Amino acid sequence: GENVEQHPSTLSVQEGDSAVIKCTYSDSASNYFPWYKQELGKRPQLIIDIRSNVGEKKDQRIAVTLNKTAKHFSLHITETQPEDSAVYFCAASTGGNKLVFGAGTILRVKS
Amino acid sequence: GAVVSQHPSRVICKSGTSVKIECRSLDFQATTMFWYRQFPKKSLMLMATSNEGSKATYEQGVEKDKFLINHASLTLSTLTVTSAHPEDSSFYICSASRQGSISYEQYFGPGTRLTVT
Repeated sequence: GENVEQHPSTLSVQEGDSAVIKCTYSDSASNYFPWYKQELGKRPQLIIDIRSNVGEKKDQRIAVTLNKTAKHFSLHITETQPEDSAVYFCAASTGGNKLVFGAGTILRVKS
Repeated sequence: GAVVSQHPSRVICKSGTSVKIECRSLDFQATTMFWYRQFPKKSLMLMATSNEGSKATYEQGVEKDKFLINHASLTLSTLTVTSAHPEDSSFYICSASRQGSISYEQYFGPGTRLTVT
């Protein structure tokens, strides 16, 4: 089955700096890779996703890159702000429309 | 669009009782609903996949008689934790996929914090 690894587990950056979170997956059949942001006690919110037919997608300060050959994908947040502080989860699709989630990254943006 | 609600948001129950959690898609029809469990500072663990009108598919290690799932309509799925024990205390979150969607997009409910005393 699919296995998703996410690094780092915690990340502290200064406000205005960039943050990068990386994930690797094991199942070459996976073709959908979403990123979710979860604030404490709240629901995960989809912030960006990418499908296997593209290598990069950008939405304002957020971008995701996908390397299918290497089976890894990354989330890039530029010009970080304190409100970006949260837990970020990557996920990869697997059989039955299911998603397998990474372990999460706690992002702290220091002002 | 794509709003998912969950009720209740918090519930405290005594050991041995059963608790029902509802998950509703408010503005779309959900072909599939998923139930997750999340421990503090941990990732989302898929418990089961629920399709309207059919039996739920449980992940390995999840007791189907303990966690009863019913998906009676395209907008409602329920999770019943039967004979709850303190170790069942957790954050339970549902998600839903749109009917007819060709992607795997899942929209999450706000979660239910269950505490078993």
